[in-house]
Amino acid sequence: QSALAQPASVSGSPGQSITISCTGTSRDVGAYDYVSWYKQHPGKAPQLMIYAVSNRPSGVPDRFSGSKSGNTASLTISGLQVEDEGDYYCSSYTHFGTSVLFGGGTTLTVL
Amino acid sequence: QVQLVQSGAEVKKPGSSVKVSCKASGGTFINYVFGWVRQAPGQGLEWVGGIIPVFRSPNYAQNFQDRVTISADESASTVYMELSGLRSEDTAVYYCVRGAAGIVGATPFDYWGPGTLVPVSS
Repeated sequence: QSALAQPASVSGSPGQSITISCTGTSRDVGAYDYVSWYKQHPGKAPQLMIYAVSNRPSGVPDRFSGSKSGNTASLTISGLQVEDEGDYYCSSYTHFGTSVLFGGGTTLTVL
Repeated sequence: QVQLVQSGAEVKKPGSSVKVSCKASGGTFINYVFGWVRQAPGQGLEWVGGIIPVFRSPNYAQNFQDRVTISADESASTVYMELSGLRSEDTAVYYCVRGAAGIVGATPFDYWGPGTLVPVSS
């Protein structure tokens, strides 16, 4: 199974908003509301930012939001801050084969 | 506070096996989902497989089904991942993850271990 499709990189200025897309198929993103987003700093373990499409774990700022339309999920970060820089990965449950698919990752740069 | 403590880095030869452990503390063990995610150098995340200790039945990603064994020792609150037939492409950091009780893969991974580096080289 192919990984979920994410843009390789996005960038924005402090205070701006950006959106990272995550495109799957009707067998994964489109079929279930089990989409999560993770943020990873270089050399560190990823951390959960969004789960079940649009839910934030305790401690994640409300500047982070998630949504889904059809086979594409999105992560939006509003009011960009320098500390938001890092790699972002989406994941989705799939009933077929592997059970968990990850996106290829998107590097966010705050200029 | 939940903590996942993983075993240390291991250098392996091609064709050999590696067994990585992950000891969980700070929370109930048997009902949660525990899994393994790997990340090759400079690459993205890849699901290896998972287990719910109370059910003892592991779930493996298709790419690893014939080479991986995931198990759990309830008495030690520890999960294990053994990967056999190692090749250079298996060089990666292997992360232990914990997800909320539910279907393996459907619950988010809210806790991650620090990772275990497994270089495979002759």
